[in-house]
Amino acid sequence: DAGVIQSPRHEVTEMGQEVTLRCKPISGHNSLFWYRQTMMRGLELLIYFNNNVPIDDSGMPEDRFSAKMPNASFSTLKIQPSEPRDSAVYFCASSLAVSGANVLTFGAGSRLTVL
Amino acid sequence: AQSVAQPEDQVNVAEGNPLTVKCTYSVSGNPYLFWYVQYPNRGLQFLLKYITGDNLVKGSYGFEAEFNKSQTSFHLKKPSALVSDSALYFCAVRANYGGSQGNLIFGKGTKLSVKP
Repeated sequence: DAGVIQSPRHEVTEMGQEVTLRCKPISGHNSLFWYRQTMMRGLELLIYFNNNVPIDDSGMPEDRFSAKMPNASFSTLKIQPSEPRDSAVYFCASSLAVSGANVLTFGAGSRLTVL
Repeated sequence: AQSVAQPEDQVNVAEGNPLTVKCTYSVSGNPYLFWYVQYPNRGLQFLLKYITGDNLVKGSYGFEAEFNKSQTSFHLKKPSALVSDSALYFCAVRANYGGSQGNLIFGKGTKLSVKP
């Protein structure tokens, strides 16, 4: 298995532009998570899907952020319009949620820089 | 509120010496605890977890962690550190509130630096 695949690995954009981050979870996993990592705030959960359904989006900063999971093998995180404070590394992770002891497998991350 | 605290931003150890990275938690009910490691420009990698049973949990790369219920701690340990262990280490607890019973709450991370 190739693991959790994220794209792009790096994105540099200007304030106001739309940004779309993509994630392909591990085949067979039924839970998917989007985390954001910054020096100031550490790792923050943005949103969490179970069987393609959003379960907890309380971590989504504001309406500029949206996430979708149209099927079990693909998810997107969109920021529109982007702002400099959105600069961070965004991680996607997936797990097989059969018990509370789920181990999350992380992708390599997408480093976003908003100028 | 459920939370994880890693009191040290950085831990410095000489190669060959034992290392400890500290973690304390606050959670309702029985905790499910995890340690992850992050190497530069990489995603987090799972090291070990505690669910129930033996308080000493063994994981990858020679790491182990000791669950202490009375002290609400889950410190990560290794008897003999390697330079290649230098990385960022995260302690995490499984969220257990409302509909969120699968995601992890992470500590802020501890940077481990092992010098030759």
